[in-house]
Amino acid sequence: QVQLVQSGAEVKKPGASVKVSCKASGYPFITYAIHWVRQAPGQGLEWMAWINADNGDTNYSEKFQGRVTITRDTSASTAYMELTSLTSEDTAIYYCARSRITMVVVGQHWGQGTLVTVSS
Amino acid sequence: QSALTQPASVSGSPGQPITISCTGTSSDIGAYDYVSWYQQDPGKAPKLIIHDVNFRPSGVSSRFSGSKSGNTASLTISGLQAEDESDYYCISYTTTNTLVFGTGTKVTVL
Repeated sequence: QVQLVQSGAEVKKPGASVKVSCKASGYPFITYAIHWVRQAPGQGLEWMAWINADNGDTNYSEKFQGRVTITRDTSASTAYMELTSLTSEDTAIYYCARSRITMVVVGQHWGQGTLVTVSS
Repeated sequence: QSALTQPASVSGSPGQPITISCTGTSSDIGAYDYVSWYQQDPGKAPKLIIHDVNFRPSGVSSRFSGSKSGNTASLTISGLQAEDESDYYCISYTTTNTLVFGTGTKVTVL
C-alpha cells in the first residue's frame, strides 16, 4: 500500500532552517510528484511547492520563493523540504502528499505531518 | 497568488443538501479542470473527496459531488449526515504551474 512517512517533530530558533523528509513506499517513486502543504495552528491549508520526482523539476508558491527548497533522492524514494530564515509564523504542521497520475493534482496519499515549532 | 474564496461556515440539518462555493479567477479555477476538494477533521490529514472538478476517489460517498462554472467551483453534499461535520477545502492548479487552496469552510450539522 502507498505510504508516506515523514521525519519527526522539530523545534527551531528564529533565523534557523529546517529540513523535513518524506519517505515514499508502495509505488514507483518517479511516476508521481510530491507536494508540500502546511497548516499553522488553527489555520487553513497552505500549498507550498511541488517536485516532479522523475526529473526533479520544482515549482514554488510565490510566498515561499527564495526561502524553500524541495529536493528528492530517487534511490531512497524520499523527498525533502527545507525552509530557511524561520520565524514564529512558520510554526505549523508540514505535510507531504503524493500527486495523482496527473502530477499537478494533489492526491489522496498524505504523510502523517511534521510539526515544526519556531520559538526562541 | 491569493487564496481561493470560500464561505467561512455553512450549516444544514440532517438530510438537507448543502453547497460550498470556491471562487477564484481566470488564472486558476477558470483556466483548468484541476479543482479538488478535501475534507479535514481536527488533528488529521486532509482526505481527498473530489478531484478534477467532479470525480470521486474510490470509497468516497456518492453524497459528495463537485461542479464548476466559470471561475467558481462548488461542492455539494446531498443528504447531510452528522459525520459530514468537518472542515472543507478546495484547491486549484494555476497558470503559474503552482496550486492554491481555498480559505476553508466549516460545515456544521444542526
